[in-house]
Amino acid sequence: GNSVTQMEGPVTLSEEAFLTINCTYTATGYPSLFWYVQYPGEGLQLLLKATKADDKGSNKGFEATYRKETTSFHLEKGSVQVSDSAVYFCALRDDKIIFGKGTRLHILP
Amino acid sequence: DAMVIQNPRYQVTQFGKPVTLSCSQTLNHNVMYWYQQKSSQAPKLLFHYYDKDFNNEADTPDNFQSRRPNTSFCFLDIRSPGLGDAAMYLCATSMSFWSGVDEQFFGPGTRLTVL
Repeated sequence: GNSVTQMEGPVTLSEEAFLTINCTYTATGYPSLFWYVQYPGEGLQLLLKATKADDKGSNKGFEATYRKETTSFHLEKGSVQVSDSAVYFCALRDDKIIFGKGTRLHILP
Repeated sequence: DAMVIQNPRYQVTQFGKPVTLSCSQTLNHNVMYWYQQKSSQAPKLLFHYYDKDFNNEADTPDNFQSRRPNTSFCFLDIRSPGLGDAAMYLCATSMSFWSGVDEQFFGPGTRLTVL
């Protein structure tokens, strides 16, 4: 069945550091891929998405590229801020959404 | 702004005492979902409604029920909450179910505590 694997956290970085959160997926078809962010005590917000191979999703300085050859959708940001501290979920959607386990990100000032 | 609203944000109930969580949406979406999210875990889909059609996930306990009286509202009923049901419950909506492109919009969640 479909599945999503993302790097375990927590990830702790200093402000302005470069961020990568790895995500790989297993799917029988051609799913859409998503990154959701969950701030403390809140629900999930869509951060970015890509619907086909080689698409790049971007939002708020975050980027991820749909790599079919490596079945990956890694999240990157060039310079993180304290306000980026949250839990990040990689997900795929074929019919229903399959979430990864989430990666907690701590940004130190 | 169009949105997904969940009430209450925090709910405390006693072991075995029925509880109902509420979700409403102003997006006029066809599909409404309920997820359970335990601490440090991914959200787990419990069931969804496509319009009035109810779709239960195979591993959702019978203790969990849902009602959707109209397009805008959907309720999660927990008939006899156990300590293991303490979690964040997330409501989400989307325009369609089968389209992989459609985004799901999430509410802020209701955190349920069972004493």
